[in-house]
Amino acid sequence: DAGITQSPRYKITETGRQVTLMCHQTWSHSYMFWYRQDLGHGLRLIYYSAAADITDKGEVPDGYVVSRSKTENFPLTLESATRSQTSVYFCASSEQGRETQYFGPGTRLLVL
Amino acid sequence: DQQVKQNSPSLSVQEGRISILNCDYTNSMFDYFLWYKKYPAEGPTFLISISSIKDKNEDGRFTVFLNKSAKHLSLHIVPSQPGDSAVYFCAADRYNSGGYQKVTFGTGTKLQVIP
Repeated sequence: DAGITQSPRYKITETGRQVTLMCHQTWSHSYMFWYRQDLGHGLRLIYYSAAADITDKGEVPDGYVVSRSKTENFPLTLESATRSQTSVYFCASSEQGRETQYFGPGTRLLVL
Repeated sequence: DQQVKQNSPSLSVQEGRISILNCDYTNSMFDYFLWYKKYPAEGPTFLISISSIKDKNEDGRFTVFLNKSAKHLSLHIVPSQPGDSAVYFCAADRYNSGGYQKVTFGTGTKLQVIP
């Protein structure tokens, strides 16, 4: 499918488990982003990547790990999930640094 | 520290009337501003943007106004339609020291357009 996809769409896990959220885009956009959306906080940037093998922290990076070995993929890993990481996670991409971002449909994560 | 603020969590407007969504920012380094629209169970989609060299940008029913001295921008929707009912996020952009894009989003305003 063309565009940006996220998997899984819904995930339930337990505290302490490792979870990986996948993001794939077909446009070969240089930039990719991970956000979390929480009530009262809006969208907060977790990590972003300007190109393959280039990643940097956003506003709330603690407890998350990212990698970008290929331009089209940008997985987000919660190394040891905590209840505070229950959220809706959005992946986004943009062609260049100063352009609009295209968002995926989101992954709803519940940590018990 | 919330650098981009949308102080109204929700707004209700009658169909056909004007909707005005407001956004304030604190960081004077922001020089590009965007509005995104989000429907339930979907990702945000880009709506309209404005550069700091302008004070107004218009696209159909949507107009964004920027007041740099007040660090304030607003989105006007005229006329409002029921399909405009969504959450609207304001976002501000600046280049960080590494030269990469770093966008900060506001908390969102939920607009309900009443038929």
